Amino acid sequence: NAGVTQTPKFRILKIGQSMTLQCTQDMNHNYMYWYRQDPGMGLKLIYYSVGAGITDKGEVPNGYNVSRSTTEDFPLRLELAAPSQTSVYFCASTHRGFGNTIYFGEGSWLTVV
Amino acid sequence: DQQVKQNSPSLSVQEGRISILNCDYTNSMFDYFLWYKKYPAEGPTFLISISSIKDKNEDGRFTVFLNKSAKHLSLHIVPSQPGDSAVYFCAATTSGTYKYIFGTGTRLKVLA
Repeated sequence: NAGVTQTPKFRILKIGQSMTLQCTQDMNHNYMYWYRQDPGMGLKLIYYSVGAGITDKGEVPNGYNVSRSTTEDFPLRLELAAPSQTSVYFCASTHRGFGNTIYFGEGSWLTVV
Repeated sequence: DQQVKQNSPSLSVQEGRISILNCDYTNSMFDYFLWYKKYPAEGPTFLISISSIKDKNEDGRFTVFLNKSAKHLSLHIVPSQPGDSAVYFCAATTSGTYKYIFGTGTRLKVLA
């Protein structure tokens, strides 16, 4: 029962470095999401995807890129890391259909110094 | 533009009493609402949901109420238990969009 798996769990980046947060799900879900959680700010939607090859911006997309080449994988790319991107990142997924819940991964803690 | 708001950042309740967590939304197109619970260092987990065609949904100790005219929903936990201590997020979506918008969260502390 892997569900939604995120890697790495923890990462420290220097300003200007790039990295990719990996996310994979084994539930054959059509829809996948990336959220970030800042203290006191709740969960903000960064990007989401409704299927392989289709992605769309969420509430806070600036500074990030995504791709969805397969149903299972939805990596999040940070091209030029900035201190404002220090956050906890959550990947999530859900089925097609009304009334479905979304399932989250355990989170990736990223610090940019 | 915060479409889903939880105006109480924290709440403390005695064990055995009722916990009431509130959530307001601004987008009248939202038609499905969810509550998630989050423990430290874990991902959010689904708790309970409600469709806009209902005004109440119950699941054990958890009940969600929806007031569409006020654009307000609330989560009632009765009786509250120490294990309920966590951050609770409400979320909303519009059918067909698959875009889930979350609130800022309320940290519930249940005192033994």
